[in-house]
Amino acid sequence: QQQVKQSPQSLIVQKGGISIINCAYENTAFDYFPWYQQFPGKGPALLIAIRPDVSEKKEGRFTISFNKSAKQFSLHIMDSQPGDSATYFCAASTGWGGGGNKLTFGTGTQLKVEL
Amino acid sequence: NAGVTQTPKFQVLKTGQSMTLQCAQDMNHEYMSWYRQDPGMGLRLIHYSVGAGITDQGEVPNGYNVSRSTTEDFPLRLLSAAPSQTSVYFCASSYSFLGLAGHNEQFFGPGTRLTVL
Repeated sequence: QQQVKQSPQSLIVQKGGISIINCAYENTAFDYFPWYQQFPGKGPALLIAIRPDVSEKKEGRFTISFNKSAKQFSLHIMDSQPGDSATYFCAASTGWGGGGNKLTFGTGTQLKVEL
Repeated sequence: NAGVTQTPKFQVLKTGQSMTLQCAQDMNHEYMSWYRQDPGMGLRLIHYSVGAGITDQGEVPNGYNVSRSTTEDFPLRLLSAAPSQTSVYFCASSYSFLGLAGHNEQFFGPGTRLTVL
């Protein structure tokens, strides 16, 4: 049973465009929603994270939008650059802070930013 | 700091063989975990530990054993390798308490690519 559904599986965006990746979750106990970025041959690295008591969080060109009632959250990458080409994973866990370590991951989105 | 280190980087096993994947971290993190990454399935939690001497099962624990004798090390043992265990394995660590950034960032190692023939 997949608790975090991610789409699309792959995404091609032109340089300077907006990349949007969506995730939906089922477990209403989830209270921590991070996004991880993974380059080929490397481990995932935390990109940005959000708590459900806010609807949006922005860090540079990366923004998480969160819709608690719809149980959905999304990653927006503004002004996408070729260096953003990577696989992106959404994730969720329970227990904000201590104990919020058992991450349930989405299936990943391969993003390619073309010149 | 070296962060999270994993050895070996690559390994080929025959069905039925056993082996241990090594994981170490030098950040004094209480929490450590093992994930496997398969195409189209994201990362799935195998086992995790909240401190030395304490381990618990994750989503896909069958065929794997772990132990945590020190804070730094968290080895993953494959008891009798099967082709279904062909995967990329990642070890991760984090603090167990709320960090300064307001969350527990998990730091991942570079991975071990395992092939079971």
